[in-house]
Formats: sequence, C-alpha cells, structure tokens
Amino acid sequence: DQQVKQNSPSLSVQEGRISILNCDYTNSMFDYFLWYKKYPAEGPTFLISISSIKDKNEDGRFTVFLNKSAKHLSLHIVPSQPGDSAVYFCAASGNAGNMLTFGGGTRLMVKP
Amino acid sequence: DTGVSQDPRHKITKRGQNVTFRCDPISEHNRLYWYRQTLGQGPEFLTYFQNEAQLEKSRLLSDRFSAERPKGSFSTLEIQRTEQGDSAMYLCASSRTSGWGNEQFFGPGTRLTVL
Repeated sequence: DQQVKQNSPSLSVQEGRISILNCDYTNSMFDYFLWYKKYPAEGPTFLISISSIKDKNEDGRFTVFLNKSAKHLSLHIVPSQPGDSAVYFCAASGNAGNMLTFGGGTRLMVKP
Repeated sequence: DTGVSQDPRHKITKRGQNVTFRCDPISEHNRLYWYRQTLGQGPEFLTYFQNEAQLEKSRLLSDRFSAERPKGSFSTLEIQRTEQGDSAMYLCASSRTSGWGNEQFFGPGTRLTVL
C-alpha cells in the first residue's frame, strides 16, 4: 500500500504564477515531512521540510503547508520560474533521520 | 565539493553477474542510506547505517543484496546474480544523527542496466 501519494503526475504553470503541489499520506506515525526536487540524471535535491508540530514553513519562494487532520501537505512555489521545472517528490518519516517514504512524484513544467 | 558521491554513475551488466556500487557520504554525517528508484516511481528505502552498524533493512532487500560500511565512512552495495528486475537507479543518501533538521542529502545515483 502506498503510504505517501502524489495524485497529480504532472502540473503546468505559467512563469510568475503560483505552483501548488499536493501530497497525501496515510500513516499517522509520520511526523516529519520533506520535499525534494529532481532533475534528470541527478539525485534528489532537498528543498524544504516541516515537523508535525508546525503547520507552515517558509524558505524564500517555497512554502510547505501541513494539515495533520487531513493528512495532507502542499508545496507552494511563488513566483514560479522556468528553472523550477523538475520532478518534485514529497517524503515522510516516522522519526527525523530514519528511512524516508516517498510519493510517486509530480512533474512540474513552468512555461516562459 | 563535499556532497555525497557515488561510483560508478552507470553500470551495464549481463544477467547472473555480480555488481558492486560505492557511496561516499558527506564527511561529518553518521547515517548512510541506500534507496532504489525505478522509472516513474519515487525512491524506495533499502537499508541504512548508523556509523558501521546496519540498523534497518527493507523487505525489498533480498538475500542477493548485501551492504557494508566497514569503517563507518564509505559504503558498498553488492548485488549477486543480477536479474533484469534489478535494473534501476540506486541512490545513496547521508545525514547527521537523527533529530529535527537532519535532512538526508542524496548523491547522483548509479544507474544499473541488467541485460
């Protein structure tokens, strides 16, 4: 069973607009969530994380929101830039530093 | 550059052969992880080390797979008697000891193709 799901395989956004990537999880023991970005032929690059004791974390153009009651998190990128075009993975852990469980990824395309 | 490095980047082998991959983590990181990623999927956890101790192994890690981290620094992942289903990207990651803020940083991966 997939404990972390990204239901949108792809998303297309115009440059300058907001990109919203969504992620749902089922395991209530998850307490630490991360977003990674991946370009072809490279490993995932860490973007931003959030602990379950928070509902929002912001880093520059990137903001992650966590809704624990809905078991849902989202990544907002604003403004979106063409260089943001990549595959984005959400990941979850039961204890920061242990194994990560990843979603299937969402391919973001930012059009100039 | 002091990021996670992996060698080789690409490996093509014939079914039944053994292969070994190497991972060098970020130097001050105690934890080292191996993941596998197939096309269109997210990475799947295989195993992880705290220093030289292997603390957890996934059900995905069949007995043909073995990982070591003999001195708590670099790690090797060996696959014996490779099968076509082993074709995937093998990713290594490292982090400091557990705790909030100890994100895992990934290497570029080793792409394995089994013919």
